[in-house]
This record gives sequence, C-alpha cells and structure tokens, in this order.
Amino acid sequence: SQKIEQNSEALNIQEGKTATLTCNYTNYSPAYLQWYRQDPGRGPVFLLLIRENEKEKRKERLKVTFDTTLKQSLFHITASQPADSATYLCAFTGGGNKLTFGTGTQLKVEL
Amino acid sequence: GAVVSQHPSWVICKSGTSVKIECRSLDFQATTMFWYRQFPKQSLMLMATSNEGSKATYEQGVEKDKFLINHASLTLSTLTVTSAHPEDSSFYICSASTQGDTDTQYFGPGTRLTVL
Repeated sequence: SQKIEQNSEALNIQEGKTATLTCNYTNYSPAYLQWYRQDPGRGPVFLLLIRENEKEKRKERLKVTFDTTLKQSLFHITASQPADSATYLCAFTGGGNKLTFGTGTQLKVEL
Repeated sequence: GAVVSQHPSWVICKSGTSVKIECRSLDFQATTMFWYRQFPKQSLMLMATSNEGSKATYEQGVEKDKFLINHASLTLSTLTVTSAHPEDSSFYICSASTQGDTDTQYFGPGTRLTVL
C-alpha cells in the first residue's frame, strides 16, 4: 500500500542554523508533494508544493527538493528562528485529490 | 484569502449523544470538502470526501452511519458524530478545495471532541 514516512524523532537545532526534514515514500509515484506546518491544536497550514518535474522549489527561507529516483523530498528552513518551531507534515496526493499525510516531524529551534 | 473556519473549536459531550461540527469556506466556493481525524501524536487520516450536492465518499473503515456528512452548499459542510463514544474523542479537521485549484487544500483550525 502507499506509504509516506517522516522521521518521528523531534529535531532540535540552534537558532540561525538550517533545519532539514526528510520525507520518504514507497509504493507510489506521486505527481507532486506538499509540505504543511501544524502548530499544537491547530489545523495544517500549506507551505509549498513541488511537482515531479521540479527538482527544487523555494519560498523565502524555505526550500523543498523532490528526488523521484530516491523517492524522497527534503524540506529546508534556513536561518531558523524559534517561531519556526512546529510539526512539519509532508503529503502526497493520490486519486481524487485525496491527501496522504506522513506522521510529521517536530522541529524545535532553540535560542 | 482562502480561509476555512470550523465551529465549534472544542466540544465536550456525554457518551451516546450526537455532535455536529461545521466547516465553512469564508471567502471562496468549495466544490470539494474533506474531513480528517487526528489522534495524539499521529498523522491526519482522511475520513471522507464530500462534493457539494452529492453523497460523501467514505474511506475504508469509516462508518458512514456513524459519521454523517452533509455538503449542502458550496460554503458549508457538516460532520455529525452520532451516538458518540469515548473512542471517538479526537481532533477533527476539515479542508476545502476549489474547482479551479484542486491541487491545494485549505484547512480549518480543527475541532477537539472529547466524549465522556
């Protein structure tokens, strides 16, 4: 069955460093992947979408890569700030525009 | 733009009662709305997809008679948890997409349901 995996362990980094989160998927070849931010007790907020024919996409301090050979997407936050602390979810779209989410990786940016 | 609201934001009810959760797209017409459930420290799991004016499509393992979904207009979908039990306690989140941009889903803030 289609599966999407993210590192379940929290990622702790120092303010100003680059955070890199990983998303791997199996048994599927999505046309695109999406990344969301979720704060505790809140719904996900859309961040970036990257298509299979795009190697990289940027938005301000965010960068996403998509490697269809490795079946992996990397999500980078440069010059990280404590306000970036949240859970980051990756998701791909299956048939009928249904989103399949990973379990998310919690990021903590410390001063 | 593209704001989705949910009401209530949290609800506590007694076992055996029914609870209705509303999902509204405030500034756009949502041709499709999705309902998700999220248990603590787990990911969002899709429960059902609803298109305006038609019956919802439920995911495998989701009881359609227990989770009633109505998508009566292009801006409103409701999820009713009937005869709620403690195991139904969860975080329920809706999302909406438009006909012109089916790639993107806009999520509501979620509703925390606690069944005593």
